[in-house]
Amino acid sequence: DVVMTQSPLSLPVTLGQPASISCRSSQSLVYSDGDTYLNWFQQRPGQSPRRLIYKVSKRDSGVPDRFSGSGSGTDFTLKISRVEAEDVGVYYCMQGTRWPRTFGQGTKVEIK
Amino acid sequence: EVQLVESGGGLVQPGGSLRLSCSASGFTFSNYAMHWVRQAPGKGLEYVSGISNNGGSTFYADSVKGRFTISRDNSKNTLYLQMSSLRSEDTALYYCSNEGSWGQGTLVTVSS
Repeated sequence: DVVMTQSPLSLPVTLGQPASISCRSSQSLVYSDGDTYLNWFQQRPGQSPRRLIYKVSKRDSGVPDRFSGSGSGTDFTLKISRVEAEDVGVYYCMQGTRWPRTFGQGTKVEIK
Repeated sequence: EVQLVESGGGLVQPGGSLRLSCSASGFTFSNYAMHWVRQAPGKGLEYVSGISNNGGSTFYADSVKGRFTISRDNSKNTLYLQMSSLRSEDTALYYCSNEGSWGQGTLVTVSS
């Protein structure tokens, strides 16, 4: 199975400041069709996960543009340009290229 | 609007069985692979099982292989998870997802 490794696991941030989360996969996530199926999910306290980013950098409908995804191959990043209070929660990367799907351990974002 | 509604959770004794269902609406169910993901209390997301859009391929995490069976009925827009030989470590909130959307989850508690 593909192992997804996130860092850091805890991220205290100041309101209005940027934040960045890294996700590395144990194998390339480039699929045979040429696309890379790397997703980012946000889970706010007490809520179901919500997908923010798919195919590395495509934002889901309704996701604020302060969220952006980048990367290629085995190395990916989620960036929040200016953290807001509503961004508190746990962020997960998940690969959708190989079966079974696998998640990173999660990164807890909190306000300093 | 996409809706995924899980049901069938509850309290079951170790070694027992349970069948979860997920009713889908708001999208063309037969076009999507579907997944079960679980979250133990206070823990991260764990991928459990997935099934291709036509049901021809199924995939399982090693932790549930041989004990859980995923299936779908595209005529009823419903996803299933048959769980047997349940263990205390299977206690979790079980989510249904098509990767882009998630349900609210159904709680499975394995305890004597």
